[in-house]
Amino acid sequence: GNSVTQMEGPVTLSEEAFLTINCTYTATGYPSLFWYVQYPGEGLQLLLKATKADDKGSNKGFEATYRKETTSFHLEKGSVQVSDSAVYFCALSGSGSSNTGKLIFGQGTTLQVKP
Amino acid sequence: DAGVTQSPTHLIKTRGQHVTLRCSPISGHKSVSWYQQVLGQGPQFIFQYYEKEERGRGNFPDRFSARQFPNYSSELNVNALLLGDSALYLCASSQSGREKTQYFGPGTRLLVL
Repeated sequence: GNSVTQMEGPVTLSEEAFLTINCTYTATGYPSLFWYVQYPGEGLQLLLKATKADDKGSNKGFEATYRKETTSFHLEKGSVQVSDSAVYFCALSGSGSSNTGKLIFGQGTTLQVKP
Repeated sequence: DAGVTQSPTHLIKTRGQHVTLRCSPISGHKSVSWYQQVLGQGPQFIFQYYEKEERGRGNFPDRFSARQFPNYSSELNVNALLLGDSALYLCASSQSGREKTQYFGPGTRLLVL
């Protein structure tokens, strides 16, 4: 079945450092891929998405490229801020009618940014 | 425009009780999905509803049920609560049953004692 694997955290960085959070997936067909962010005590916010191979999603300085050849969707940011401290979830929505409406999430990666 | 809203924000119940959680989707969205997020884990899919019909169900026992109303709001019901049902329950809405992008509400935090 479909699955998502994220790098384990926590990831601790200094402000202005470069961020990479790895995400790989297993899926049949052509899933859509997402990154969500969860701040303490809150729900999930959509950060970015990509719906087909080689698409690059971007938002608020974060980027991720849908790599079908490596089944990956790694999240990157060139310069992190303290306010980026949160839990980041990679997710996929499978292709085909049987998978509609179901997001499959990774286990989440906690990012801590220190001043 | 208002985002997805959920009520209540927090709830404390005891084992064996029943609970009802409520969700209002983004205006214009017709599909609602429910997820359970246990502390330290990613959300797990429970149900999807579109146009008042169940379109998908995750691997949860029959104690979990849901429905969607004509105004597209939704309720999640859990019977015979167990300690393991303690979690953050998230509601997400999307424009249609086939639209893959989902927008989440703030969640209802349920504690079962």
